[in-house]
Amino acid sequence: AQKVTQAQTEISVVEKEDVTLDCVYETRDTTYYLFWYKQPPSGELVFLIRRNSFDEQNEISGRYSWNFQKSTSSFNFTITASQVVDSAVYFCALSGGNDMRFGAGTRLTVKP
Amino acid sequence: EAQVTQNPRYLITVTGKKLTVTCSQNMNHEYMSWYRQDPGLGLRQIYYSMNVEVTDKGDVPEGYKVSRKEKRNFPLILESPSPNQTSLYFCASSPVRLAGYDEQYFGPGTRLTVT
Repeated sequence: AQKVTQAQTEISVVEKEDVTLDCVYETRDTTYYLFWYKQPPSGELVFLIRRNSFDEQNEISGRYSWNFQKSTSSFNFTITASQVVDSAVYFCALSGGNDMRFGAGTRLTVKP
Repeated sequence: EAQVTQNPRYLITVTGKKLTVTCSQNMNHEYMSWYRQDPGLGLRQIYYSMNVEVTDKGDVPEGYKVSRKEKRNFPLILESPSPNQTSLYFCASSPVRLAGYDEQYFGPGTRLTVT
């Protein structure tokens, strides 16, 4: 069965701190896809990144970076120099193809 | 504007009174899905559809029905709502048939309260 675990329920940091959100997944599929979505206080869900299981390259997009490690079944998300606007709930998700399974989410609060 | 729309956005109803939450997308997307979001549980998939007339159960389908008669619409039906279906519901669509192949575009959400 597929499972996504985001062990950090809530994280609070001060602006400009770096923060890493952890995501650990379980799957028996050899081909699978990992995602991160952001849900700001306004409630909408915003796509951040998608990775397939054959692409272990880390990715950087501005202040955001993602570390995918198949050996530890992890897909962690780091925000560098956090800003108040980064305050949101962040979801990691896994798909084996047809369905999608989300983690419980990590609520990040960035204080000024 | 490309979007996924849901109606109603807010609904308060009573136990047992049938209701339908509509979902429509104008992007000609193949894949559509319903999720419910509950505190501490994240989003859980209720049903999904890879094409017209093709639907399948997600993780939490009990108490829900769906249909996909047209590509753009994917209504969620609660035949006999119960208080444990009080939740925030999201509809989503994706350009391709398989969920993993592309990002999903989410609607604004429908907050349902069943008393």
